[in-house]
Formats: sequence, C-alpha cells, structure tokens
Amino acid sequence: AQTVTQSQPEMSVQEAETVTLSCTYDTSESDYYLFWYKQPPSRQMILVIRQEAYKQQNATENRFSVNFQKAAKSFSLKISDSQLGDAAMYFCAYRSANYAGGTSYGKLTFGQGTILTVHP
Amino acid sequence: KAGVTQTPRYLIKTRGQQVTLSCSPISGHRSVSWYQQTPGQGLQFLFEYFSETQRNKGNFPGRFSGRQFSNSRSEMNVSTLELGDSALYLCASSAREREQFFGPGTRLTVL
Repeated sequence: AQTVTQSQPEMSVQEAETVTLSCTYDTSESDYYLFWYKQPPSRQMILVIRQEAYKQQNATENRFSVNFQKAAKSFSLKISDSQLGDAAMYFCAYRSANYAGGTSYGKLTFGQGTILTVHP
Repeated sequence: KAGVTQTPRYLIKTRGQQVTLSCSPISGHRSVSWYQQTPGQGLQFLFEYFSETQRNKGNFPGRFSGRQFSNSRSEMNVSTLELGDSALYLCASSAREREQFFGPGTRLTVL
C-alpha cells in the first residue's frame, strides 16, 4: 500500500515571499501520479499542480512549482510571490497510473495536510 | 462545463438513522470516487465507481455503501449512523485526466 507523509502541520509566509511545503511518499510502483491540492476555508478541494512520475521535468503552474525527486520519493511544492489568497490547507496526494476504457481510475492517497498562513 | 455537484450540502441526523448523499460528476466523466474527511483521520477513501461497477473500496464497515447509475451519477448511503460518522463527505470525478475533480462536499452532522 502507498503512503504519503507531510511532516509540516503548519507553515507561514509573508506576502510576496516564497514558501516550500514538503511531501514524501512510499510506493513500489514505477508509474504513478502526484498532486498538490488546496483546500481553502470553503472546503472546496482545488487542484494546484500535477506531476507524472515518468516525467523528469518538474511541473510548473504560474507561481507554483514542484521539486520531484523520484529516487528519494520526495515531492515538494514551492509557492513564489505568495498571496493572501494562497492561505489554505495543502494536501499532497498519490494516485496509481491505472487506465481502462479511456478513463483513469484509482483512489487518491492523501497526506495529513499542511496549513499555510500568509501574513500581509 | 459545470463542475461536480453534491447534494445536500448540509445534513443533520441522529444516531441510528440512515442517510443518502448524492453526487453528479462533470459531464462526460464516468469515474466517481467518494472520500470522508474528518479532523482526526484526515481524508480517507470510501469507494470508487466506474460505469456502474464498484472498482475499489476503502476500509470502511458495511454500513457504508454506494452505487452508480447509468448517467454516472452516484449515491452513497450510510445506515445506522454513529456519532463518528460526522464528517465532510467529498465526491470526485475523473475522465481521461489523471486528476480527480472534487465537489463542494456534504457536511454530515450526527447527533
């Protein structure tokens, strides 16, 4: 079974600065996907960024980027130029690469989450 | 394209009752998953459906069940509610994309 660990229960950052959230995972699979989801106080789970394990290049989405270290099973999220709207709970998640009938399937395994506070 | 919708958004029940939660996936998505979120246990996988078939099930008692209809809408049912079933229940759908797209959740309170 896969496990995901986020060792930082809480993090804080000043507005406009950079913060990095850590995530490690354990798996025996070679093909999988990793995600960072954001859950603001509204509780709506929002996808932030996705990384395919077979890709060596780190994913980037605007101010969000990841440092994917497959051998070390590490997947950190860097938020640059932090904004007040970035304040939320951030979850790292793992999903096996399964497909059938043109559809991906398989559960997401989540870490415990990191609460990010952004100070003005 | 409309997102994942869940109804009802809030629900209050008493111990021993049963409850049914509904989820409508994004149009064209045939895979629907359910998760339970609590402060103590975090996010836990309940079950996953694809084309009306349960493909995967989490480690929950038999009181938790679900189904998926031909239009991909899904329902989950919890019978004989316990206080510990109070949680946010999240539904997510996916298609060709690797990621799952989540609904706003149903907040269940058991008194």
